[in-house]
This record gives sequence, structure tokens and C-alpha cells, in this order.
Amino acid sequence: ETGVTQSPTHLIKTRGQQVTLRCSSQSGHNTVSWYQQALGQGPQFIFQYYREEENGRGNFPPRFSGLQFPNYSSELNVNALELDDSALYLCASTGGGRTDTQYFGPGTRLTVL
Amino acid sequence: GDSVTQMEGPVTLSEEAFLTINCTYTATGYPSLFWYVQYPGEGLQLLLKATKADDKGSNKGFEATYRKETTSFHLEKGSVQVSDSAVYFCALSDGNSGYALNFGKGTSLLVT
Repeated sequence: ETGVTQSPTHLIKTRGQQVTLRCSSQSGHNTVSWYQQALGQGPQFIFQYYREEENGRGNFPPRFSGLQFPNYSSELNVNALELDDSALYLCASTGGGRTDTQYFGPGTRLTVL
Repeated sequence: GDSVTQMEGPVTLSEEAFLTINCTYTATGYPSLFWYVQYPGEGLQLLLKATKADDKGSNKGFEATYRKETTSFHLEKGSVQVSDSAVYFCALSDGNSGYALNFGKGTSLLVT
């Protein structure tokens, strides 16, 4: 059974650019969530996808968007990058259900200059 | 809205000392409660969880009991090791926004 993987590991972008981060869910999991973790803070929920549909969204602007593919892998897209978008972006997958555990990937460290 | 409050760190302990990290929550309904651990440079790992009142989660010597009357889920370990040095996050999931996790700010633990 493979775990959650994310790519790239690190990324440096310039303010105003666009970025795409990728996540492969744990085998058998059909739900993926994305979180933003600023330095020294707890992760903040961005959104969740279940069977290719957005299933919930946190307090993030529309320039944060996502996709989930038929194989349940996922992308997080951020447009018009701002300096405050610099953070660790975490992807988590779960098999679904209220009490199912979310399994996290190692994250992508995004730096916006 | 829902929220999680953790004791502020850093917490510094000697090896074999007793550990308590306090966590309280505010939520409507009956959330599930979690402790996650983050080692330097890594993602989050589930440490333990509890899904209903009076449940006790345990793993690797760590324990936490879901106390509905005090809205708390304090993390404890009887004898910490240097390898326990990490950041610990308390979190809840209440079924809103697709069962998203709502995290506390984290508590840094250093064991020397």
C-alpha cells in the first residue's frame, strides 16, 4: 500500500505568477483535502474533493482552485500569487466517512518572492 | 465557529519526564478529536484519535481522553524520549466542510 505523495517538494515563484501542486492519494482513497500551513502555525483547510467534486471549502479566495482526477489524484492551483501564499501545502487523503482518518503527504514548500 | 486551543510552547522536558499538552475545543455537535505529530521537515502523522465522549485514544505510549464535560482532549505520556521531540497538533472534525480538520496552532516539544 503506497502512501500519499506530493510534488514538487520545493518551489519558488514570483508574486503574480501561477502555480500547480500535485498529490497522489493513498491507494483506495477517494477523498482528498488540501491544507495551507504557514510557518509556525497549524494547517488551515483549503478545500476537499470527493469523487472529482468539491465537497467543502475553507476561507480561501477563488484564486485557490483544485481538481481531482478519476484515479483520485489531485491538483491545487493558485493564481496571482501573493507573498502571503508562502507556506507548506499539505495534501491528505481518506477513504471517506465521518470518522475516517486523514493521511497526510510530506507537503510542498512554496516560496513566493 | 469551531476552534481548537492548545497550550503554547515550546515545552522543554528532560528524558523520562511526564508530558501533558493541554487541548480544549469549541464545537457544535459531537466532533471527532485527533492528535497529529509533525517531525522537523516532515508532514503530519496521526498519533491518536477519539470519536466519542469518554473514548481514550492511545499510541506509542501517548494517551488522550475525550472529555465532553470539559471540552478537552489533553495529550499525555508517562516517560518522554528524545525521539518525541516534535510539534504536536490537536484537531477536530465535526462533519462540516466535508469533514475537514480544524487544527490548533501546535505545541513544540523539545526533550533533552
